[in-house]
Amino acid sequence: SQTIHQWPATLVQPVGSPLSLECTVEGTSNPNLYWYRQAAGRGLQLLFYSVGIGQISSEVPQNLSASRPQDRQFILSSKKLLLSDSGFYLCAWSLGYEQFFGPGTRLTVL
Amino acid sequence: RKEVEQDPGPFNVPEGATVAFNCTYSNSASQSFFWYRQDCRKEPKLLMSVYSSGNEDGRFTAQLNRASQYISLLIRDSKLSDSATYLCVARPNYSGTYKYIFGTGTRLKVLA
Repeated sequence: SQTIHQWPATLVQPVGSPLSLECTVEGTSNPNLYWYRQAAGRGLQLLFYSVGIGQISSEVPQNLSASRPQDRQFILSSKKLLLSDSGFYLCAWSLGYEQFFGPGTRLTVL
Repeated sequence: RKEVEQDPGPFNVPEGATVAFNCTYSNSASQSFFWYRQDCRKEPKLLMSVYSSGNEDGRFTAQLNRASQYISLLIRDSKLSDSATYLCVARPNYSGTYKYIFGTGTRLKVLA
């Protein structure tokens, strides 16, 4: 069966610091991978998605970037965090129909 | 207009009640639909896929009305554990699109 991992589970970072969140999927090949952000009390905002290694589509221009160095690994990065980057970051995978989420990383930028 | 719209609620219902949520979508190219459940401070979890003919899973029934472009979720015999936010999701099926369009969710509170 497929599983999706995200780490860390929680993170507190100062404004201006860098960020790296990692997501890995097990038990499947060539998944579509997604990064979402959910601000407190808000809906899901799609940030990036990837349909293959090295292929990244950006949905929202901002100070975040994503990379997919391996088939089942998806990384979300920032060089300098903003206060507005606080939120619940969710990684998800899909093989084209149903989509499944990782446990998320709760990021607080102070 | 949002691509997927839901009544944010909250819907406060007593245990044992039947409750229904509707969700409307604006993109007629949307072909696949889903309901997710999200508990507070947790990730969304797939509750049901919605098939054209409608489908049922225990106390939960999902229906799709393509003519009116809405999806519904019916919960019978509500339990306290059903309290959560329910997200409606549409997935367009045109070529080159891999995105899922999420509604902002409907909050359900089941009261003892």
